[in-house]
Amino acid sequence: DVKVTQSSRYLVKRTGEKVFLECVQDMDHENMFWYRQDPGLGLRLIYFSYDVKMKEKGDIPEGYSVSREKKERFSLILESASTNQTSMYLCASSIPRGLAKNIQYFGAGTRLSVL
Amino acid sequence: AQKITQTQPGMFVQEKEAVTLDCTYDTSDPSYGLFWYKQPSSGEMIFLIYQGSYDQQNATEGRYSLNFQKARKSANLVISASQLGDSAMYFCAMREYNFNKFYFGSGTKLNVKP
Repeated sequence: DVKVTQSSRYLVKRTGEKVFLECVQDMDHENMFWYRQDPGLGLRLIYFSYDVKMKEKGDIPEGYSVSREKKERFSLILESASTNQTSMYLCASSIPRGLAKNIQYFGAGTRLSVL
Repeated sequence: AQKITQTQPGMFVQEKEAVTLDCTYDTSDPSYGLFWYKQPSSGEMIFLIYQGSYDQQNATEGRYSLNFQKARKSANLVISASQLGDSAMYFCAMREYNFNKFYFGSGTKLNVKP
């Protein structure tokens, strides 16, 4: 079974803090993704990575950065957390884009509150 | 324009009845995939079913089937014989393979009544 593990289920941070959200997958997947989920808006893609040290912006990258130094780990960084970044953050991984049915497997999510 | 539209924010269904969750999509990419995910209250997204744009047959996975109408750009999820454990949020998603883009709908909250 694919396992995608997010380091924290719940996180509370202060405005202006630098926040790291970590995600690790154990299936040797090339692709990894970070989404945020807000009520009524579904999931919105922040960043994704299709290989080590490679990244592409999603639909809402402002205020976020990412790091992928190893294939199994994809980190989301909030350089200076703000209250409008309070949300549920979901990490996912999948097989490469060239293959059909590249199902995304998700972690359990991190609920971040910025006070 | 919305790429994925789920028009039913919430639905109720009686246990053991069938239910259809609506999804319409918008793309100019001829090569795409459509996915349905379930998200229980625990938060984890669970893959349910996949339909490729070139697939001739509607996808089925156990009690789940996908009613794929390509000309109408709709990909409705049908759950047969609903169970209490089906109560969850359901998300429709699309992958555009040539454009390398991913989109999720806003979700439908399904409540199964005993």
